[in-house]
Amino acid sequence: GESVGLHLPTLSVQEGDNSIINCAYSNSASDYFIWYKQESGKGPQFIIDIRSNMDKRQGQRVTVLLNKTVKHLSLQIAATQPGDSAVYFCAENQLGGNNRKLIWGLGTSLAVNP
Amino acid sequence: DGGITQSPKYLFRKEGQNVTLSCEQNLNHDAMYWYRQDPGQGLRLIYYSQIVNDFQKGDIAEGYSVSREKKESFPLTVTSAQKNPTAFYLCASSIQGQGGYEQYFGPGTRLTVT
Repeated sequence: GESVGLHLPTLSVQEGDNSIINCAYSNSASDYFIWYKQESGKGPQFIIDIRSNMDKRQGQRVTVLLNKTVKHLSLQIAATQPGDSAVYFCAENQLGGNNRKLIWGLGTSLAVNP
Repeated sequence: DGGITQSPKYLFRKEGQNVTLSCEQNLNHDAMYWYRQDPGQGLRLIYYSQIVNDFQKGDIAEGYSVSREKKESFPLTVTSAQKNPTAFYLCASSIQGQGGYEQYFGPGTRLTVT
């Protein structure tokens, strides 16, 4: 399943499928990007980050892709599990800039169907 | 275990009363942040502090106040001047206040004002 994360959409996928969550970032000067996962009633949890000198970075079951040409970021989750159900936020920043200026997307809600 | 703690998890207050939310971190991080999150929304920055005895307003500081007397503590006071204080409040910290460093979040405090 795939979504565009600008207005807190909901992405619904079957357990075991791959998920793709998209994010269109706003600032062309941003060079550091983070994905966070937020479960209901909890604080956001860091998933993975990527700097602008890379276009792909892999973690455990997650991959982040960065396309600077179109200012697009995506998070791919392999073999989605029920525990992956959460809201996913992308955030952008500038290396060496002020971390106060971490710009947050609105989030995408991922629902995993067993 | 290192981390960020927020207390209490749930807080109820009557309109017109000031209330202080606690945030403590033992990560030895220089920078700390307060965010507000409304249902189905992203995070909005209230205040941040890059170093002890210094703090600056975020995007929605009106009706809030903070202090940073100790490195590990960054309490937030929601004053009676805040027009719509009911929300989920999240505290975060990062190694430095510069961009390029992830922010670590506490579990949040859900404040209800009636």
